[in-house]
Formats: sequence, structure tokens, C-alpha cells
Amino acid sequence: DVQMIQSPSSLSASIGDRVTITCRTSETISIYLNWYQQKPGRAPKLLIYAASSLQSGVPSRFSGSGSGTDFTLTITSLQPEDFATYYCQQSYNTPDSFGQGTKLEIK
Amino acid sequence: QVQLVESGGGVVQPGRSLRLSCAASGFTFSAYAMHWVRQAPGKGLEWLAIISHDGSSRYYAESVKGQFTISRDNSKNTVFLQVDSLRVEDTAVYYCTTVHEYRGWGAFDIWGQGTMLTVSS
Repeated sequence: DVQMIQSPSSLSASIGDRVTITCRTSETISIYLNWYQQKPGRAPKLLIYAASSLQSGVPSRFSGSGSGTDFTLTITSLQPEDFATYYCQQSYNTPDSFGQGTKLEIK
Repeated sequence: QVQLVESGGGVVQPGRSLRLSCAASGFTFSAYAMHWVRQAPGKGLEWLAIISHDGSSRYYAESVKGQFTISRDNSKNTVFLQVDSLRVEDTAVYYCTTVHEYRGWGAFDIWGQGTMLTVSS
């Protein structure tokens, strides 16, 4: 099974900051890496699929990059609504697997 | 619109069983594989199971293999998760989800609102 290592587990930042979250996989997964945002009490929401493709309706301040085993999610110019928990997910092999999550908090 | 609605959660004693349901609408349910994912309180997302579009193929996470059973009724646009021999650590919000627009990439773009299952004596 593909193991996911997501870092950091938590992050404090201010409005307008740029932040980067990383996800590393235990084996190469090409670009089968997706990113989700989850707010308290809500279901996850797809942000990025195929490592770097933006889901329809997601603001362009969100971007993803990477391939193989190393991936990043970048949020430029943080907005108040961006404070949430973010998860990566690999869809290269069954079983699918998620990273442990990164909680983004307001500094 | 495309929608998934889970039901069937509640408070259950350890060792008991429960069947969770997820009703789909707004898309051709019988054409899509369906998944269950859970999230224990304060924890991350855990993928549990997948069933193929026609129900002929199923796959489970090792952590629930032999304890959970995924099934579907395409005539009722519903996917189920039978959860048996429940343990306290099965307490979680259970989500159904599917890959709708991005079938080649396995990205879960449709999620239900989740149903809470609490296992407690």
C-alpha cells in the first residue's frame, strides 16, 4: 500500500501570506495526487486533481505541483476562508490513501 | 444537482451491527464506482471500501476487511455499508464519495454530508 507523509501537521499564517504544504509518497505515483480542503463539520472539498489541475470554481490562489513521490500545495495571498485542514490523497493504487492532514490556522 | 445523502448512523453498543446507506441523485449512479471514507473525531480521513459500478468487484482497507461489507442497489441509486462487530474505535463520521468528473484521475469530487456512528455502551 502507498504510504503518505504530509507536512507540516499544523501551520500558522496571516492573511495575505503564501503557504506551502508538502506530501510525500512511499512509492512513485506519477501525478495521481489530489488535494482537499475540509472545514469543521463539513465534508472534504476537492481543490486540485492530477497534482496540478484546479477543480472548477476553486480560486487561482491555490496551485499544486509535483510528480513521482513529492508534491506541494501552495496557497498565495491567504484569505480568511482558507483557514481549514488540507489533505492529500493518492489515487494511483487501490487502496486509496490520504495524508494525515495539515491544519492551517490564523496567526 | 449531483448529490449524495448518507443515513443510518446513530449510537450503537459494541458488538452490534448497523447498515449505513447513501442515496445518490443527479447522475447516472449505475455508471460509477462508489467509495466509503470515514473520519474519527479529531482525526484524518480513512478510505474504507470501493464497489464497482455494477457491484461485481469490491475492495476493502485492511483495517475493516471481514468486518465491513459494501454493496449497492442500482435500481434504488443507493450504496450501503454493513458494519458488523462494532468497536469503540469505529466511532466516526462515515462519508460516501465518488469520482464523477475526473474518472481517469481518481479524484473524489462528490461527497455526501456524512453520517455519524457512535459506538458506546
